[in-house]
Amino acid sequence: SQTIHQWPATLVQPVGSPLSLECTVEGTSNPNLYWYRQAAGRGLQLLFYSVGIGQISSEVPQNLSASRPQDRQFILSSKKLLLSDSGFYLCAWSVMGSLGTEAFFGQGTRLTVV
Amino acid sequence: GIQVEQSPPDLILQEGANSTLRCNFSDSVNNLQWFHQNPWGQLINLFYIPSGTKQNGRLSATTVATERYSLLYISSSQTTDSGVYFCAVVNQAGTALIFGKGTTLSVSS
Repeated sequence: SQTIHQWPATLVQPVGSPLSLECTVEGTSNPNLYWYRQAAGRGLQLLFYSVGIGQISSEVPQNLSASRPQDRQFILSSKKLLLSDSGFYLCAWSVMGSLGTEAFFGQGTRLTVV
Repeated sequence: GIQVEQSPPDLILQEGANSTLRCNFSDSVNNLQWFHQNPWGQLINLFYIPSGTKQNGRLSATTVATERYSLLYISSSQTTDSGVYFCAVVNQAGTALIFGKGTTLSVSS
């Protein structure tokens, strides 16, 4: 069966420090991968999606970047964190190349920038 | 882009009550999912339901794609049903799920 791993679960970082959040998927090949952010008390905002290695699409301009160095690995990064980067970050996957297939989420990383 | 609206934004129930949550979307969709976000933030898949009706225990969902809405029914609610319920649809490019703002459900004993 497919599983998605996301770490760390919680993170407290000072303003101006770098960020690296990692997400890996097991049990499937060529998944679509996604990063979402949820600000406190609000809905989920799509940040990045990827349909293959090295293929990243950004949905909103921001202080963050994403990379996909391997088929089932998706990394969210920042060179210098801002206070506004605080939030709950969720990674998700769905079946590659198919419209309308079910998406599954990791357990999330709660990031607090201080 | 596609818009997803959920109602009501907040719902308070006594244990044992029934409820209906609604999701309206602005364009035709290939996919619609309902999620429950638990107190720890994890998104639990409830239904993948681009059309038709499905049931899973006390929960059921109906999507009428031609009229661009979906309903989530919770019967005999329990305190563990508390949390935020999200509806999400695939965007027109077919690349990602677009979420509504959610319905926050509080069930008290």
